[in-house]
Amino acid sequence: EDQVTQSPEALRLQEGESSSLNCSYTVSGLRGLFWYRQDPGKGPEFLFTLYSAGEEKEKERLKATLTKKESFLHITAPKPEDSATYLCAVQGTSGTYKYIFGTGTRLKVLA
Amino acid sequence: KAGVTQTPRYLIKTRGQQVTLSCSPISGHRSVSWYQQTPGQGLQFLFEYFSETQRNKGNFPGRFSGRQFSNSRSEMNVSTLELGDSALYLCASSLAGSDTQYFGPGTRLTVL
Repeated sequence: EDQVTQSPEALRLQEGESSSLNCSYTVSGLRGLFWYRQDPGKGPEFLFTLYSAGEEKEKERLKATLTKKESFLHITAPKPEDSATYLCAVQGTSGTYKYIFGTGTRLKVLA
Repeated sequence: KAGVTQTPRYLIKTRGQQVTLSCSPISGHRSVSWYQQTPGQGLQFLFEYFSETQRNKGNFPGRFSGRQFSNSRSEMNVSTLELGDSALYLCASSLAGSDTQYFGPGTRLTVL
C-alpha cells in the first residue's frame, strides 16, 4: 500500500535557525513528489515538484531534495512568515489515485 | 491568471441534508480533483475528473459524488450528510499532461 509519513509533526525554530523537514514514502512506482505550504484556513500553496532521486529544487529560503525513499525540505535562516504547515504528497504509477498526502509538519518560527 | 475558485466558502447543514460544492479550475486546466481535509485524517483524495470523465476515485462511500462540465468546472455532491462529513473540501486543478496540482481556498462544511 502506498503511503507517506512526515516528521516531525511540529517544529519550533528561532528566527535564523535552519532545519529540515522529512517526508518518507512507500510507493510502487514514483511518478512525482510534491511539497505544499498551507496557512490556517487556506488551501495548500504549491512549492515544488520532484521527479527523480538526486533532484533538487530551490525557492528563496527553501530547498527540496529527493532520494529513492524520502524527501527533505530544508529551511535556511527561516523568518516568522515561514510559519505554516508543510505538506508532502506523492503520486504513484498505479493510476488509482491522484495524490497521497502526509499529515504535514506544523512549523512555527519565533522572532 | 485567476486561481482556482470554490463556492461557497462556508456552509452549515444539518444531518440528513445534501450539499453541492462548486469548483472553477484555472483557465486552461482540464483536470480537477477533490480532497477532504480533517484534523484527524489530513488530506484524503475523493475523486479526479478529466474531460468530463471520472478518472480515479478514493475510498469514500457512494454518498460522495461528483461531475465535471464541458467548461471544466466541477461540482461535488454529498447526500445524507453525517456529522463526520464536517471538513474542509478542497478542489485542485492541473494542466493536461502535468502532475502538479493547484489548490483552491476550499469550502468549509459544518454538519450539525
